[in-house]
Amino acid sequence: AQKVTQAQTEISVVEKEDVTLDCVYETRDTTYYLFWYKQPPSGELVFLIRRNSFDEQNEISGRYSWNFQKSTSSFNFTITASQVVDSAVYFCALSELQGGSEKLVFGKGTKLTVNP
Amino acid sequence: DSGVTQTPKHLITATGQRVTLRCSPRSGDLSVYWYQQSLDQGLQFLIQYYNGEERAKGNILERFSAQQFPDLHSELNLSSLELGDSALYFCASSPELTSGPRGEQFFGPGTRLTVL
Repeated sequence: AQKVTQAQTEISVVEKEDVTLDCVYETRDTTYYLFWYKQPPSGELVFLIRRNSFDEQNEISGRYSWNFQKSTSSFNFTITASQVVDSAVYFCALSELQGGSEKLVFGKGTKLTVNP
Repeated sequence: DSGVTQTPKHLITATGQRVTLRCSPRSGDLSVYWYQQSLDQGLQFLIQYYNGEERAKGNILERFSAQQFPDLHSELNLSSLELGDSALYFCASSPELTSGPRGEQFFGPGTRLTVL
């Protein structure tokens, strides 16, 4: 079965530091998708990115960047020059296809605290 | 605002009771997913409906059931409630069976259920 491991339970940094959130996954599927979601203190889940298993290009969006390495089954997320507003729980997720439909398998999340 | 609405926002009830959580997907989305977020289990997929039919099932207890109505809104029914059912219940929607064109499932704000 699919599994997502986010080994870092909590990370605390000072504003303007760079921080990397780790995500390691397990799957037997050859085609799959990986996601990152952000859950701020308000509780909603905010989509950040989706990558498919055939696209190993790294992606950058503003201060956010993602490093996908199939060889190590990792999909790490880096925030550059962190800000207090980045404080949230971040979830990595993996799609699991089931009978033509898809569900998401989430990691336990990493709680990021950015201190001023 | 994802466009997915969930009611109620908060629900407090007693053990043994039954509650109904409601979800309205984004306009035009045919798939509705239910997830449970609890402290010990994390974010877990419960069930998916597509255009009125159940399409995928996760770790959903037999005491729980769901349905999707012709107008595409969905309800999650939780019965014989136990203390351990206290959690945040999310609904998500997407246009098709699998995650939408940009890949994301659009999450609602959640319903926080407290069982006393």
